[in-house]
Amino acid sequence: DAKTTQPPSMDCAEGRAANLPCNHSTISGNEYVYWYRQIHSQGPQYIIHGLKNNETNEMASLIITEDRKSSTLILPHATLRDTAVYYCIVRVANRAAGNKLTFGGGTRVLVKP
Amino acid sequence: DGGITQSPKYLFRKEGQNVTLSCEQNLNHDAMYWYRQDPGQGLRLIYYSQIVNDFQKGDIAEGYSVSREKKESFPLTVTSAQKNPTAFYLCASTSGGNTEAFFGQGTRLTVV
Repeated sequence: DAKTTQPPSMDCAEGRAANLPCNHSTISGNEYVYWYRQIHSQGPQYIIHGLKNNETNEMASLIITEDRKSSTLILPHATLRDTAVYYCIVRVANRAAGNKLTFGGGTRVLVKP
Repeated sequence: DGGITQSPKYLFRKEGQNVTLSCEQNLNHDAMYWYRQDPGQGLRLIYYSQIVNDFQKGDIAEGYSVSREKKESFPLTVTSAQKNPTAFYLCASTSGGNTEAFFGQGTRLTVV
C-alpha cells in the first residue's frame, strides 16, 4: 500500500471549516483514499473515501487532486466534538492484494471555541 | 444490530503470562485485523486475516499469535515473548472490496 503524509497537528476555530491535507504521492491507479477519525480512547470511525472524484457525505467532503497525489478532507463547520485524530490511508481493496489496512500517524485536530 | 465487539475493555495481567483478547463480529465480514496503539501514537498492524484458517503477519507480529477458526472470531494472544505488551489493542473487520472497515472499541491491556 502507498504511504501517506499528514501534518501531526492543527487547530481549528469552532464553526469554521477545517481543511485537513494528506499527501499520497506514490498512490497507484487502483488505490482508494480513505479517511477515519479516532476520538480519544475509542475505535476509529469511518468518515469518507474516494478514488478520483470528489465525494461528499453528511460528515465531510473529500477533494482529490487531479493527479491523485494529494487530497483534502473538509469538515464544513467544525464543532468541539470534531476534536480527534484524523487518519488518511490508501489501500487496494481486493482480496488479491491482501486487503491490508495500514495506518500512519494521523493529524491531531483541536477545535477551539 | 451488527457490529464488532472486543472484550474485555480493560485487562490486567502479570508479567510473563500469556493473555488472549477477544474480537467477535456479526457483520459477515471476511477480513479481520488487529492493531496496537501506544499513547500519542498511530495504529500499528499486528496480524490480519482475509478468510477463515488463514492469516498474515502485519508490521509488528513478534510476540503475538492469532487464530481464525470461525469467520466471526479473531482472537489475539499476547505471549510472554512480547517485550512491552502494555498498550491499547484494536480489532477491525471489513468485507473487502471498496468498503470501509469497522472497529471495535478496544481493549486496554496493562501488564504489571
